[in-house]
Amino acid sequence: EVQLVESGGGLVQPGGSLRLSCAVSGFTFSDHYMDWVRQAPGKGLEWVGRTTNKANSYTTEYAASVKGRFIISRDDSKNSLYLQMNSLKTEDTAVYYCARRSTMMNGMDVWGQGTTATVSS
Amino acid sequence: DIVMTQTPLSLSVTPGQPASISCKSSQSLENSYGKARLYWYLQKAGQPPRLLIYDVSNRFSRVPDRFSGSGSGTDFTLKISRVEAEDVGVYYCMQSLQLPLTFGGGTKVEIK
Repeated sequence: EVQLVESGGGLVQPGGSLRLSCAVSGFTFSDHYMDWVRQAPGKGLEWVGRTTNKANSYTTEYAASVKGRFIISRDDSKNSLYLQMNSLKTEDTAVYYCARRSTMMNGMDVWGQGTTATVSS
Repeated sequence: DIVMTQTPLSLSVTPGQPASISCKSSQSLENSYGKARLYWYLQKAGQPPRLLIYDVSNRFSRVPDRFSGSGSGTDFTLKISRVEAEDVGVYYCMQSLQLPLTFGGGTKVEIK
């Protein structure tokens, strides 16, 4: 069974940092691009960024709202994806989802349950 | 960035009746091969989004055939032929033609 399990969310003060993890199982992680998508309380979905796979040099891209503050990385040997969030702002409060990018079409076909990051003083 | 606009914001449907959601993009979603990168997701309360339709009109795995997608260029539609109680939730369209990926604002579907 394909599974994505996020962890690492919590409460952090503005200006602080948080590292989210996404542990995957049930598929060949190294084949896939992976994305992070967030959802602020009561709001819609916002793409955060993505990493390509090894074949495409683990290239990362980010939304303008997080560029320079967030870093996406992955460890294929551990079947894990990460989101390092620095210089956090109150507007970064959201549920953060990791999602698998399909190899047969260019969308996200499997999503984790999400982990909540709350930025507040 | 490509702006995705969904209408209506909400929809109240009698079980067994059809429903239709529109999604318009600020520029064509068709790539150089003529394939439009448009997706539909359903998010039920307290759950992550679930992929329903990819590349405009292809139903994803285990998606009931009462869901169908259509459209081209900048105009796309998701149709539910006969709404069931389990179809309640918020529907989102998304484009992946170019980064950043962008989503529509969502359409909330309720049962009358």
